[in-house]
Amino acid sequence: GESVGLHLPTLSVQEGDNSIINCAYSNSASDYFIWYKQESGKGPQFIIDIRSNMDKRQGQRVTVLLNKTVKHLSLQIAATQPGDSAVYFCAEIPGGSYIPTFGRGTSLIVHP
Amino acid sequence: EAGVTQFPSHSVIEKGQTVTLRCDPISGHDNLYWYRRVMGKEIKFLLHFVKESKQDESGMPNNRFLAERTGGTYSTLKVQPAELEDSGVYFCASSPLGVLGANVLTFGAGSRLTVL
Repeated sequence: GESVGLHLPTLSVQEGDNSIINCAYSNSASDYFIWYKQESGKGPQFIIDIRSNMDKRQGQRVTVLLNKTVKHLSLQIAATQPGDSAVYFCAEIPGGSYIPTFGRGTSLIVHP
Repeated sequence: EAGVTQFPSHSVIEKGQTVTLRCDPISGHDNLYWYRRVMGKEIKFLLHFVKESKQDESGMPNNRFLAERTGGTYSTLKVQPAELEDSGVYFCASSPLGVLGANVLTFGAGSRLTVL
């Protein structure tokens, strides 16, 4: 079946660097995408979302880019901090559905 | 506002035993979801309640899993009898009903199940 996947399971960066986490999706019916952050011992927490009528959305230190042509989603974190260390999941939601489909996640490790 | 709470945080049982996980959603959230994450893999959907009704249970692995949400408030997920492959972290999430905000789930911290 169609699924959401991630290119890099682990990403290591130095504090202060910019991080880019990628996600590929295959369900062309998906029109809403969310990035979640999961810290150790906690559940996934909402970071930022984007609808399919947009190709970029910015938050505080985070930017999500959506390329519908190649079905690709990315999360950019500026000036990465040790507190950003976590597993990041992208989730896609098809139009008319209330059920997000998650991928495996990418573990981001930030070295001081 | 209290978040989504789950109990227990960790349960260790032997194969063949029964475990019941509980989830208390955010007050007023009619949508309630159960997901499961097996180590290193994706967070997989199990089922979705709207109030007390099962809206979608297509992700339930087999009939050893039983979810209930009597009264449309808290939910339980029972595994009976547990098998080794049931080990993982079970997440509960909730969201309000309606178009705005319905897709943004608030997750609990999860219940880690270890079957020996």
